[in-house]
Amino acid sequence: KNQVEQSPQSLIILEGKNCTLQCNYTVSPFSNLRWYKQDTGRGPVSLTIMTFSENTKSNGRYTATLDADTKQSSLHITASQLSDSASYICVDPNDYKLSFGAGTTVTVRA
Amino acid sequence: NAGVTQTPKFQVLKTGQSMTLQCAQDMNHNSMYWYRQDPGMGLRLIYYSASEGTTDKGEVPNGYNVSRLNKREFSLRLESAAPSQTSVYFCASSLGLSVNTDTQYFGPGTRLTVL
Repeated sequence: KNQVEQSPQSLIILEGKNCTLQCNYTVSPFSNLRWYKQDTGRGPVSLTIMTFSENTKSNGRYTATLDADTKQSSLHITASQLSDSASYICVDPNDYKLSFGAGTTVTVRA
Repeated sequence: NAGVTQTPKFQVLKTGQSMTLQCAQDMNHNSMYWYRQDPGMGLRLIYYSASEGTTDKGEVPNGYNVSRLNKREFSLRLESAAPSQTSVYFCASSLGLSVNTDTQYFGPGTRLTVL
């Protein structure tokens, strides 16, 4: 069973609209939780790294939140653009390795 | 800087054939990793190398071997390919091994199909 569960599996939004992706993790992170963006046919790229001391962190139009009590994180995309079409992966560090969620595929349509 | 590069980009093998996936990084990173990505699943760690001269098994090492050729290069070998090894393979590197402080940088991937 994957220790990192993401929802929804996929979503379609119109350009300019907002959306929120959810991540539930079952392994308590030592110090951080990460979000990666993976464009089709490319490798994942780090979007944001959240530490226990941060419950909100922004990277441009991307805002991540973290609730360590409920072991939930969310990624909010504001004013979506066509270039936001990608898979967004939640990642939980666990000992020596990273536990990757299966990702949420976001499709932005004009 | 090219970052992390992988060759080939695509490969089709027949069951039982062997091949080596190549990976190189130019960021002077110490640690390197091989992952596989299958539909509906998160990336899974196959092998990793904490530093030049060391390699260790990850979550799904069966059917694979690795070689850390030097600090820059880390190869993944399939000795006898099986259809279950059809996947997209990603190489990654990081400055250090700490998943808490070191960001992993990924290559573009190799899409492998085993018939």
